[in-house]
Amino acid sequence: GDSVTQMEGPVTLSEEACLTINCTYTATGYPSLFWYVQYPGEGLQLLLKATKADDKGSNKGFEATYRKETTSFHLEKGSVQVSDSAVYFCALTSDNYGQNFVFGPGTRLSVLP
Amino acid sequence: SQTIHQWPATLVQPVGSPLSLECTVEGTSNPNLYWYRQAAGRGLQLLFYSVGIGQISSEVPQNLSASRPQDRQFILSSKKLLLSDSGFYLCAWSVWGTSTEAFFGQGTRLTVV
Repeated sequence: GDSVTQMEGPVTLSEEACLTINCTYTATGYPSLFWYVQYPGEGLQLLLKATKADDKGSNKGFEATYRKETTSFHLEKGSVQVSDSAVYFCALTSDNYGQNFVFGPGTRLSVLP
Repeated sequence: SQTIHQWPATLVQPVGSPLSLECTVEGTSNPNLYWYRQAAGRGLQLLFYSVGIGQISSEVPQNLSASRPQDRQFILSSKKLLLSDSGFYLCAWSVWGTSTEAFFGQGTRLTVV
C-alpha cells in the first residue's frame, strides 16, 4: 500500500537557520502531495501542496518540490522563526475519490531564539 | 466558504463510560469525512472514513464506532471507554471525487481516567 516516510526528529534549530525536513513516499499511480503543520493543541493546517511532478508548492516562506524520479517532497525554509515551532506532517493521496490520505509520522521542530 | 466544527474541545471521561464526539461541515455537499486519532507524541491513525450518508469504512478494529446520520455530520462513539482510548481526536473532510487536500477540525482532547 501507499506509505510516507519522513524524519521524525525532534529537530532543533536556532532562529534564522535553514530548515530541511525530508519526506519520501511510495504510491500507486500519481499521488497528490501535501505538507501539514500542527501547532500545540490544535488541528492540522494545510501548509502547501503539489499535485503533479515538478510542481513546487510554497507558503509562508516554506516550499517543497514534487520529485517523481526520487519520490520525494522535502520541505525547506531559508530562515526559520520561533513561530515556526510546530509538528510538520508529510501526506499524500493517490485516490481520485479522496478516500485514502496517508500521513507520515510527523517531525517536531523547535526553533530557539 | 467551508468550515468544520468539532466538539467538545476537551473531555475527561471515566473508564467504562460512553462517548460521543460530533463533527459538522458547512458550506459543501457530499464531503468525504474522516476520524483520526493522535496518541501523545505519535502520528495520525485513521479510524473511520465515510463517502456518503450511512457509508462507513473502519480502518482499525476497536471499541469505537462511527455514524453519518446526515450528509455533513459525522459522529464518533463508544459504548464503554478504555484507558487506551485517550488521545487527540481529529475530524476532517475533503471534496468527494477529487484528490485535493483534507481540511481538519480543531480536535478533541479526550482523557479517560
